Amino acid sequence: QKEVEQDPGPLSVPEGAIVSLNCTYSNSAFQYFMWYRQYSRKGPELLMYTYSSGNKEDGRFTAQVDKSSKYISLFIRDSQPSDSATYLCAMKPTGTASKLTFGTGTRLQVML
Amino acid sequence: NAGVTQTPKFQVLKTGQSMTLQCAQDMNHNSMYWYRQDPGMGLRLIYYSASEGTTDKGEVPNGYNVSRLNKREFSLRLESAAPSQTSVYFCASSGTANYGYTFGSGTRLTVV
Repeated sequence: QKEVEQDPGPLSVPEGAIVSLNCTYSNSAFQYFMWYRQYSRKGPELLMYTYSSGNKEDGRFTAQVDKSSKYISLFIRDSQPSDSATYLCAMKPTGTASKLTFGTGTRLQVML
Repeated sequence: NAGVTQTPKFQVLKTGQSMTLQCAQDMNHNSMYWYRQDPGMGLRLIYYSASEGTTDKGEVPNGYNVSRLNKREFSLRLESAAPSQTSVYFCASSGTANYGYTFGSGTRLTVV
């Protein structure tokens, strides 16, 4: 079983919809949680970063962490065609030597 | 604002040929990483360098070697390319990994 599980999709939604992207994990030591966005034929770019539990909002994007359920989410409000991309979750324990563990990514397509 | 620069962007090799993928970062980051990304497999760590002068194996190191030439540059070498090494390769760097990695734009490699 992988440490981080992510539904590969694809997830197709109409423009303006609220999108929910999710990851589950098994390692209770994970403390830092990130979401990356990857456009086709590009490198992943950091979208959101949160530490421990709670919510973080940035414009149309909200990242949510529920450590008790080992579950993280990324919500996109008023989705746009430009949000069409693959979204990867990533997480790590404390400690500067520890590395990120990535989910396999969810492909999102926002339809006009 | 270059960030992480990878060269070349595309390459076709014949089985058995060798090549070096180059990566340079201008963010004064200590740590650098090489990943491969394959459909359905997500990002898999090949090698990483926690600091200048050190390198360590990741999840899938067989068939690859690396060199941390200086703080800025981290190269990946395929000594005898195999079709199984057909993939997209990403270099990344981090200062404090707690805040995520910065990725390059990738090298698309095909081995025939």
